[in-house]
Amino acid sequence: EALLVESGGGSIHPGGSLRLSCAASGFKFSDFEMNWVRQAPGKGLEWVSYIFSSGTTTYYADSVKGRFLISRDNAKNSLYLQMNNLRADDTGVYYCAREFSLLRGLDGFDIWGQGTVVTVSS
Amino acid sequence: DIQVTQSPSSLSASVGDRVTITCRTSLIVSNHLHWFKQRPGRAPNLLIYSISTLQSGVPSRFSGSGSGTGFSLTISSLQPEDFGTYYCQQTYSFPYTFGQGTKLEIK
Repeated sequence: EALLVESGGGSIHPGGSLRLSCAASGFKFSDFEMNWVRQAPGKGLEWVSYIFSSGTTTYYADSVKGRFLISRDNAKNSLYLQMNNLRADDTGVYYCAREFSLLRGLDGFDIWGQGTVVTVSS
Repeated sequence: DIQVTQSPSSLSASVGDRVTITCRTSLIVSNHLHWFKQRPGRAPNLLIYSISTLQSGVPSRFSGSGSGTGFSLTISSLQPEDFGTYYCQQTYSFPYTFGQGTKLEIK
């Protein structure tokens, strides 16, 4: 069974840093693109960042560009999100999500972790 | 950026009702339009991918349709376990974007 488990969340003061991890199991991690998605308390889903299967290509939401860094270690079946210069509006649940791509342009986020909570407050 | 607009933002329906949620994108997204359901305190769950393909394990009462910039998710006969918040998402171009969500309540 494909599984994603996030860790690394916690409470941090504004301006601080956190590193989130996402451990993958039950599938060939190196074959899949991966994403981070977050959800502020009581709000909707916000896509944060993407990384290609090999790690060579990354994209970020404007709200985190220049502060967050996505990376992966395919040998360790792990995805990471380094979050720097954290702000109060970065508070929320952070999910990692597997993105599959099939022929004929079929794709989607099919596997999600349970989420890890990040709280940025003074 | 591609804007994704869902409607309605909330709705209340009875068991057995046919329910439709719509999603409009600001640009054509080809077939890169997907639907998720989320229960409180839980991770989102993929229902429909690429406009109309039912994800494995999702009941057949769920269906998706549309093209261009207009899409819809339909539940043919609402069941009690269908309460939650539904989101559409485009993955045609970065930044990926989600609709604001539709909160579905069972009467």
